[in-house]
Amino acid sequence: DQQVKQNSPSLSVQEGRISILNCDYTNSMFDYFLWYKKYPAEGPTFLISISSIKDKNEDGRFTVFLNKSAKHLSLHIVPSQPGDSAVYFCAASGASYGKLTFGQGTILTVHP
Amino acid sequence: DTAVSQTPKYLVTQMGNDKSIKCEQNLGHDTMYWYKQDSKKFLKIMFSYNNKELIINETVPNRFSPKSPDKAHLNLHINSLELGDSAVYFCASSYAGTGASPLHFGNGTRLTVT
Repeated sequence: DQQVKQNSPSLSVQEGRISILNCDYTNSMFDYFLWYKKYPAEGPTFLISISSIKDKNEDGRFTVFLNKSAKHLSLHIVPSQPGDSAVYFCAASGASYGKLTFGQGTILTVHP
Repeated sequence: DTAVSQTPKYLVTQMGNDKSIKCEQNLGHDTMYWYKQDSKKFLKIMFSYNNKELIINETVPNRFSPKSPDKAHLNLHINSLELGDSAVYFCASSYAGTGASPLHFGNGTRLTVT
């Protein structure tokens, strides 16, 4: 029962271009959606989040879009940089106690 | 000045042994978690503690016993280790434990059971 899905295992992008990472979910009770970035041998680090009452949240080069009717969210990185190369996890939670449901991750590679 | 630190980083042991993983956070958070990343790379919650009180226990075998001596520490003890316990275990912490509060993760403990 995979409630959060990232259907693209990997994405390759040229430096300076836009990276778009996608995520789909099935549980309409999710209230918050988060993106985490993970480098090898490190823990996931929080990147950006969005509440279910919004459809867009922006933080510098990172923007998250939420389409509730389609149960879909995406992370846009503009412009992409080689240091952005990492695994990106989409996660979702309900209102209480930080129980995050994670997708399986997308490996982003940004080529110089 | 590590925010969430867990030890050891690597743990190799034989089936049937008992082992512990320690976690400490210096962020002043009141909620701590254990997550497991399995061989398919999914991160799944195991336990959540809020101010030393167990809040979430996600159908984890009772061979796994979390212990929180204070709100800055959450240790994980595993009895009678099995091959299927091999995974990366991440400790995390957050304020308040609500969905709006981002989790801060440690760097993980890679457990290998032979």
